[in-house]
Amino acid sequence: EAQVTQNPRYLITVTGKKLTVTCSQNMNHEYMSWYRQDPGLGLRQIYYSMNVEVTDKGDVPEGYKVSRKEKRNFPLILESPSPNQTSLYFCASSPGTPRVEQYFGPGTRLTVT
Amino acid sequence: AQSVAQPEDQVNVAEGNPLTVKCTYSVSGNPYLFWYVQYPNRGLQFLLKYITGDNLVKGSYGFEAEFNKSQTSFHLKKPSALVSDSALYFCAVRDGGSRRTYKYIFGTGTRLKVLA
Repeated sequence: EAQVTQNPRYLITVTGKKLTVTCSQNMNHEYMSWYRQDPGLGLRQIYYSMNVEVTDKGDVPEGYKVSRKEKRNFPLILESPSPNQTSLYFCASSPGTPRVEQYFGPGTRLTVT
Repeated sequence: AQSVAQPEDQVNVAEGNPLTVKCTYSVSGNPYLFWYVQYPNRGLQFLLKYITGDNLVKGSYGFEAEFNKSQTSFHLKKPSALVSDSALYFCAVRDGGSRRTYKYIFGTGTRLKVLA
């Protein structure tokens, strides 16, 4: 089954404790992206990647890091999480052309206390 | 700069009535426009898109959307609403005419509530 998977689905952590949210897709997509969803703000793009070793900032990259060492994986790293990063996070992927829609993962709900 | 506006936080409609969810956009190049739907505790699902060609596009679950270049709008419509259409709807745009093509901008979302 073609899908985007994220782990963990739920995470409660404390300020400053480094964490990684994994994202993997099995559709051989070139493009992958991370979003955060907050009430009243919709989805905001954090980082995106056009292909292996090619990443770029979205609209809200501060406090996040990403890497794309393999085509199928695009982990999101929070080196020192803060409470304002409490949010619902989505990973998405699509083929390389911008004319094609994205496929979204199920989401990761992160709470930073 | 790219932007998307969904002016209504919530739209209520009676089952069987037509529904419209509004979206306006701003891009410097040609717009690639998308609608996604989010059901409770789920990721986003693609509904339909406008890339080029006919201004009226048809998508999943009986939804359609009309691209209006002069009004820079891409409103989502359905002739007859179902209770099961109740969900959160997002409009998104990519600028097809610039190096910003790989950035996505989403609207703030509109919650559709269909009343039985």
